[in-house]
Amino acid sequence: DVKVTQSSRYLVKRTGEKVFLECVQDMDHENMFWYRQDPGLGLRLIYFSYDVKMKEKGDIPEGYSVSREKKERFSLILESASTNQTSMYLCASSSPRSVYEQYFGPGTRLTVT
Amino acid sequence: AQRVTQPEKLLSVFKGAPVELKCNYSYSGSPELFWYVQYSRQRLQLLLRHISRESIKGFTADLNKGETSFHLKKPFAQEEDSAMYYCALKRYMNNNAGNMLTFGGGTRLMVKP
Repeated sequence: DVKVTQSSRYLVKRTGEKVFLECVQDMDHENMFWYRQDPGLGLRLIYFSYDVKMKEKGDIPEGYSVSREKKERFSLILESASTNQTSMYLCASSSPRSVYEQYFGPGTRLTVT
Repeated sequence: AQRVTQPEKLLSVFKGAPVELKCNYSYSGSPELFWYVQYSRQRLQLLLRHISRESIKGFTADLNKGETSFHLKKPFAQEEDSAMYYCALKRYMNNNAGNMLTFGGGTRLMVKP
């Protein structure tokens, strides 16, 4: 059974805190993605990575950074959390041969107060 | 611009009624489209892709290039179809980083008994 896991299901942080969201996949996928999911806006791509240490900005990278030191792990970092970053964050992975079939994690609901 | 539009945020039907979830896209190249589904308390997962022309759980979707649409249809809705549905478009990133998915805003389908 393929697995994408995320470090926390729920997280509450204060404005200005540095926040780390971790994602691990066990499918040996090269591609990994971070999205945020907001009602009415769907999924918006924040960052993605197509290989270790490689990263590319998605559609809404402002206020975020990422790290991929190992193939199975992709971290999303909020350098200084703000209330408008309160959202559901989804991690996904895929093989480059079938980028359309992305496997998603359970999500982390982040609340910034 | 590459865009996916799902005009309905919520669609409510009775069990046994036909259902059509609308999806429109804008894309300058040859489009590849997909439907993803998220059941309550479950992960987002791929439902079907247009290129395979398959029927999954009784759902079908036909790509209409003339109308730039990829509507998801089912002749007789079941209560277990209640979920969040996202239409997605495969797109090519300008920076040669590969192919990604652009998601629509999502439609929540509620099937009433």
